[in-house]
Amino acid sequence: AQSVTQLDSQVPVFEEAPVELRCNYSSSVSVYLFWYVQYPNQGLQLLLKYLSGSTLVKGINGFEAEFNKSQTSFHLRKPSVHISDTAEYFCAVSDLGGSYIPTFGRGTSLIVHP
Amino acid sequence: KAGVTQTPRYLIKTRGQQVTLSCSPISGHRSVSWYQQTPGQGLQFLFEYFSETQRNKGNFPGRFSGRQFSNSRSEMNVSTLELGDSALYLCASSPLTGAGDTQYFGPGTRLTVL
Repeated sequence: AQSVTQLDSQVPVFEEAPVELRCNYSSSVSVYLFWYVQYPNQGLQLLLKYLSGSTLVKGINGFEAEFNKSQTSFHLRKPSVHISDTAEYFCAVSDLGGSYIPTFGRGTSLIVHP
Repeated sequence: KAGVTQTPRYLIKTRGQQVTLSCSPISGHRSVSWYQQTPGQGLQFLFEYFSETQRNKGNFPGRFSGRQFSNSRSEMNVSTLELGDSALYLCASSPLTGAGDTQYFGPGTRLTVL
């Protein structure tokens, strides 16, 4: 079975500063990895996903993430955040060939201050 | 295409009552999953339906049940409501059955149990 750990429950940052949201996973097999964002009073929306190929994945809204197999990590980054990036961010993992129901992390609340 | 819709958006019930929540997936999507989201437990998987069959089930008591209709619309039912059932219930649809599929979430139904 897989598991996901989001190391920070809350990340405050000033507008236009860079940000990194950390995600580590545990699985005995190869995995697919996802980052979703949830804005207030809305459902989750896919930011990006890693299936195979290049370990650097670019997503929507200027976000990117890097898959590091040796570190079992999939950290999300943005070089310059905006007020509108304030939201809850979820990392998720699903096993190749296993149950394709993703396991979600607890979420990281990104708070962007002006 | 229209997104995933969930009805109602808000619901207030009292302990012991039962409730039915509805989800209409994106047209053409045959897989529908349900999640419970709470501040303490995060996002927890309830069950997944594909072609009217429950294929996966999370670790929830039998009071939680669901079904899927031939048009892929899904309902979930919670009987004998408890205070701890207060949560945001999210429905997600996906087009295929692979582990790399994106899940498309609805806005959720906010259930409050008094």
